[in-house]
Amino acid sequence: SSELTQDPAVSVALGRTVRITCQGDSLRSYYASWYQRKPGQAPVLVIYGKNNRPSGIPDRFSGSSSGNTASLTITGAQAEDEADYYCNSRDSSGNHLVFGGGTKLTVL
Amino acid sequence: QLQLQESGPGLVKPSETLSLTCIVSGGSISSSSYYWGWIRQPPGKGLEWIGSIYYFGSTYYNPSLKSRVTILIDTSKNQFSLKLSSVTAADTAVYYCVRGGIDYYGSGSSDWFDPWGQGTLVTVSS
Repeated sequence: SSELTQDPAVSVALGRTVRITCQGDSLRSYYASWYQRKPGQAPVLVIYGKNNRPSGIPDRFSGSSSGNTASLTITGAQAEDEADYYCNSRDSSGNHLVFGGGTKLTVL
Repeated sequence: QLQLQESGPGLVKPSETLSLTCIVSGGSISSSSYYWGWIRQPPGKGLEWIGSIYYFGSTYYNPSLKSRVTILIDTSKNQFSLKLSSVTAADTAVYYCVRGGIDYYGSGSSDWFDPWGQGTLVTVSS
């Protein structure tokens, strides 16, 4: 079982805002990074650290953290944002990395 | 632009050793700013971190795989490798090689993986 917990599925209407969450005790000490995975493609880093976006990632993607919960927010979701999203961070020992189980985002 | 490319057999027999190599181009694998790793995704399941290696050789492995995993780095060839022994059908997955980094903040740190290789499907079957 993963030390990071994500909701298996979330849906959002086109153009609306959606928040995808990731919970785990280690998130009190470490920030999460977030990855978007579309079918047949390698995962892509979309958010890391306090709220950093790699070059090329639209600014509608943002990240935040509070207590044991990290969040990925998409403001004005687009059809191309439909994908699986995974959070990642260190485990409670701090020596290993762990992924959340993933959230399937559907854009209606 | 940094690129990573996995290579290795797509079919491995049960109980044998899975061996993959990741060739890094467009940058040096010897950079002290990053580390290198392997991540896999079994069909229909989520991502699983396998392990990471620094250019000077320090390794960190997923505890659930540690007894079977070896990650090595070859700075002269700008590549790193994965060996997973005694494989079973449960090891069937798309295997990705990645570059990893760590950002430090006063309130904690953040690991990240970017870029990823395109991934290679390894099937364990007789």
